[in-house]
Amino acid sequence: QVQLQESGPGLVKPSQTLSLTCTVSGGSISSGSYYWSWIRQPAGKGLEWIGRIYTSGSTNYNPSLKSRVTISVDTSKNQFSLKLSSVTAADTAVYYCARDPGFGYWGQGTLVTVSS
Amino acid sequence: QTVVTQEPSLTVSPGGTVTLTCASSTGAVTSGYYPNWFQQKPGQAPRALIYSTSNKHSWTPARFSGSLLGGKAALTLSGVQPEDEAEYYCLLYYGGAVVFGGGTKLTVL
Repeated sequence: QVQLQESGPGLVKPSQTLSLTCTVSGGSISSGSYYWSWIRQPAGKGLEWIGRIYTSGSTNYNPSLKSRVTISVDTSKNQFSLKLSSVTAADTAVYYCARDPGFGYWGQGTLVTVSS
Repeated sequence: QTVVTQEPSLTVSPGGTVTLTCASSTGAVTSGYYPNWFQQKPGQAPRALIYSTSNKHSWTPARFSGSLLGGKAALTLSGVQPEDEAEYYCLLYYGGAVVFGGGTKLTVL
């Protein structure tokens, strides 16, 4: 059973870089033809896809966030990571990682608050 | 900017049937957009229900079904249960990009 778990700071200062890691267990991140995605959800609002990385390392990003987002993968640690630069209060949200296609497996989500 | 549109809210009676739809600002939704559907309850992560238009995950209750209807992706719930009250999101693929719909709040009343 594949499981995903987000980790990282819960509080980030404005203008700084948000960094999160998703650890995959129950299977190798390199096996199969999967993308590994990041999604976020501000309180009381809908889901927003941030981007994804393929096991080969190729990436796709939401055009509205592309200039600030970097997603990377560390196959040796069975992890993939999100960096979002120049954050503002609008980036405050619950951040989820998930496996794509199908999005059948999600992390529980981690709240990141942007505040000084 | 591509927009995926869902009904903001729907109400259904227990035991009834309801259809939620998912429209694309680019035109008709086809199987090539690989529509996905998710259920989310308060305080929980989304749970995948349907992928690639009509395929169910192993955990998806039989009363949920996906289809294409009138140029939109559709999620039909037949024999609605009280526990189906939740927010429902669709997702469409646009080549290398993924876009979520705004969500439908389903009330069972």
